[in-house]
Amino acid sequence: QQKVQQSPESLSVPEGGMASFNCTSSDRNFQYFWWYRQHSGEGPKALMSIFSDGDKKEGRFTAHLNKASLHVSLHIRDSQPSDSALYFCAASPNTGKLTFGDGTVLTVKP
Amino acid sequence: DPKIIQKPKYLVAVTGSEKILICEQYLGHNAMYWYRQSAKKPLEFMFSYSYQKLMDNQTASSRFQPQSSKKNHLDLQITALKPDDSATYFCASSQGTANTGQLYFGEGSKLTVL
Repeated sequence: QQKVQQSPESLSVPEGGMASFNCTSSDRNFQYFWWYRQHSGEGPKALMSIFSDGDKKEGRFTAHLNKASLHVSLHIRDSQPSDSALYFCAASPNTGKLTFGDGTVLTVKP
Repeated sequence: DPKIIQKPKYLVAVTGSEKILICEQYLGHNAMYWYRQSAKKPLEFMFSYSYQKLMDNQTASSRFQPQSSKKNHLDLQITALKPDDSATYFCASSQGTANTGQLYFGEGSKLTVL
């Protein structure tokens, strides 16, 4: 079973809209969560990390973590066409090995 | 300028042959990794190295051998290539472990095995 599950598989939002991504881990050893973004033809780039319960905001991006349910979400407000990409949730125990989810394809329509 | 250089960007190989994927990082990081991305699987962890020592190996096949000749190099040798090995291979690095320190990825080497 995939240890990091993401939803939805794909998402389309209008420019200026809100994009929301969900991620659930099935491994209670996972304590560290990251969101990565990958534009076509490039390597993934880290967006933000979240290690504590609650919200973490960085500019237009807000992540939320609920450790009890092992659920993490990412919200992008005021989405721009340049945000169109593949978004990955990644999780790790205290060993340094990151496990990635399958990803969500975001399309932002002008 | 890219801080993690992967070579070649694209390569085509025939079944049964051998290829080496090159990775050099100029971020001064002490940990390096290989990940594989294919249509079937998401970013799949393969190996992690710290200070040129193998820390974790999640690759079942011995056909995949990482090679670290220098602190900032981690090459990947693949022998007896199979069509299922077709994927984009990403090299990454981090300062410290990847759970608390973010991974920096190269642009990948896309391998096609015919």
